[in-house]
Amino acid sequence: LAKTTQPISMDSYEGQEVNITCSHNNIATNDYITWYQQFPSQGPRFIIQGYKTKVTNEVASLFIPADRKSSTLSLPRVSLSDTAVYYCLVGVYSSASKIIFGSGTRLSIRP
Amino acid sequence: KAGVTQTPRYLIKTRGQQVTLSCSPISGHRSVSWYQQTPGQGLQFLFEYFSETQRNKGNFPGRFSGRQFSNSRSEMNVSTLELGDSALYLCASSPGGEQPQHFGDGTRLSIL
Repeated sequence: LAKTTQPISMDSYEGQEVNITCSHNNIATNDYITWYQQFPSQGPRFIIQGYKTKVTNEVASLFIPADRKSSTLSLPRVSLSDTAVYYCLVGVYSSASKIIFGSGTRLSIRP
Repeated sequence: KAGVTQTPRYLIKTRGQQVTLSCSPISGHRSVSWYQQTPGQGLQFLFEYFSETQRNKGNFPGRFSGRQFSNSRSEMNVSTLELGDSALYLCASSPGGEQPQHFGDGTRLSIL
């Protein structure tokens, strides 16, 4: 099972770009990389998913190098409402038991 | 499209009782998974159902069980409640395959 390592916490300021890097050295060939955002007392919210190279949607970008041993979630121009815990997951969704949530990164945005 | 709906949102029980939590997945989603979230252990996988069959099971005691109905709605049951069962119980659904899961906002269960 692929384990992920993320920074425990990060601080930034409104309007800045935030990059959160996740390490997953044991990623398997079939594994996807997915990021979730969670606010207190709410369920995780899907942000972005990718397999390789770069993926971009309306809220974030995901950069995955060729060796896929790490990935970087990029949040452009963050606001106070982006303060949350961010989880990086690797796995195959056809088998939910193999999706492991790590401790996540607690991102704090300041005015 | 409506999201994943979990009921009730909050529940208070006492030790020894049993509880049933309900989850309505996103329309068209056939896979439903349950997770337990606590401050100490984080998010832990309980079980997954697909087309009314349990497909995967996490490392939880037999007091935790679930089922899925033909309309994909799912219920989770915990019997003989213990203080340590206090947690946020989350349900997630997906269409299946390699599509990501989408979570509900959970049921906060408190055991007194």
